Amino acid sequence: DAMVIQNPRYQVTQFGKPVTLSCSQTLNHNVMYWYQQKSSQAPKLLFHYYDKDFNNEADTPDNFQSRRPNTSFCFLDIRSPGLGDAAMYLCATSREGEQFFGPGTRLTVL
Amino acid sequence: GESVGLHLPTLSVQEGDNSIINCAYSNSASDYFIWYKQESGKGPQFIIDIRSNMDKRQGQRVTVLLNKTVKHLSLQIAATQPGDSAVYFCAETHSGGYNKLIFGAGTRLAVHP
Repeated sequence: DAMVIQNPRYQVTQFGKPVTLSCSQTLNHNVMYWYQQKSSQAPKLLFHYYDKDFNNEADTPDNFQSRRPNTSFCFLDIRSPGLGDAAMYLCATSREGEQFFGPGTRLTVL
Repeated sequence: GESVGLHLPTLSVQEGDNSIINCAYSNSASDYFIWYKQESGKGPQFIIDIRSNMDKRQGQRVTVLLNKTVKHLSLQIAATQPGDSAVYFCAETHSGGYNKLIFGAGTRLAVHP
């Protein structure tokens, strides 16, 4: 019973070509998060939505944008991917306390 | 502080032994702590949590210990199994409402038969 679903699981894009990653949840949680995780590092928070309120981390590049059209869905848009953006992108949700993570999308930039 | 390490410390144990993974947290105001397990190619998976009004909490084969005096958290895994091989992250936050998780650097647990 998947609770936080991410599609696709693997995404290959070309340098500079916009890409969108998607996340959906069946938990009806009001908070959704996007993290970037590079090899052998902890997840790094990019931004989160508290209901419809968007909150950007101070060091998140402008190249990263997000949309949350409804409670269940959240998208991560990378406008012009660079080689340094190759990473695992994790979506998470929470109501209070514990965050539930999706399986992640592995992004490769060629 | 935020995790910045590029090389994960590794704990190697024999199958059946007990494992202890340690974590130092940074914020004295944090009142909720979580241990996550992350297997290769997967998202972090919740293992166990503890609130600051407790110093010990037990789950199935896992125990978390919290020492607020020295801001130290540990995860004990009893009778470690090959399926326990993964990277383990501690995380700290405030409980209630929106919570920004601050992750520790992570520890790789390698279980040998």
